[in-house]
Amino acid sequence: GAGVSQSPRYKVAKRGQDVALRCDPISGHVSLFWYQQALGQGPEFLTYFQNEAQLDKSGLPSDRFFAERPEGSVSTLKIQRTQQEDSAVYLCASSLGTVKLFFGSGTQLSVL
Amino acid sequence: TQLLEQSPQFLSIQEGENLTVYCNSSSVFSSLQWYRQEPGEGPVLLVTVVTGGEVKKLKRLTFQFGDARKDSSLHITAAQPGDTGLYLCAGADDSNYQLIWGAGTKLIIKP
Repeated sequence: GAGVSQSPRYKVAKRGQDVALRCDPISGHVSLFWYQQALGQGPEFLTYFQNEAQLDKSGLPSDRFFAERPEGSVSTLKIQRTQQEDSAVYLCASSLGTVKLFFGSGTQLSVL
Repeated sequence: TQLLEQSPQFLSIQEGENLTVYCNSSSVFSSLQWYRQEPGEGPVLLVTVVTGGEVKKLKRLTFQFGDARKDSSLHITAAQPGDTGLYLCAGADDSNYQLIWGAGTKLIIKP
């Protein structure tokens, strides 16, 4: 596709629900990143994939967060048993290498 | 822990004025990037600076990387309403993939 596509754009979840956020990177991009962005803040690193391999998941806040990229293309970020503090914008970015990132529009998650 | 501090946090000026925003750290970065983010969208890369002392120009925007590669500035000449947005700086460390992000400068240009 022309750019990084994320879905859904908005997600409202009740506390305790599981959610799945999808990222379609730019075709051919090897690297894929997930970031969490709180209102008025810069993005915070969550995890990094090179093709299907998850090379770094050090930024995932808890074991309720899980990310996968099974075929080295589409990636899913799953949050189990959502909490109010999980409310944020979740950004996906892809890159041919690792430095020049192309971001999607993000998924705004609100946990009530 | 590497930190990038951006200042000011918020700036509101009239169209036609000049402005400078700053990105400072005590750490050395291999490169530094500037992004602009509009509401409801992801950040868009404006420029990457790599060499200490480097200056890059993008139309009315001038980016400078400090000699010691610890800080950077963004200067906008004759600001326009279309420049409104959140300006983020991000530094690349030795790992070469982890970006360290500042909290951003929210810029509003009033017509």
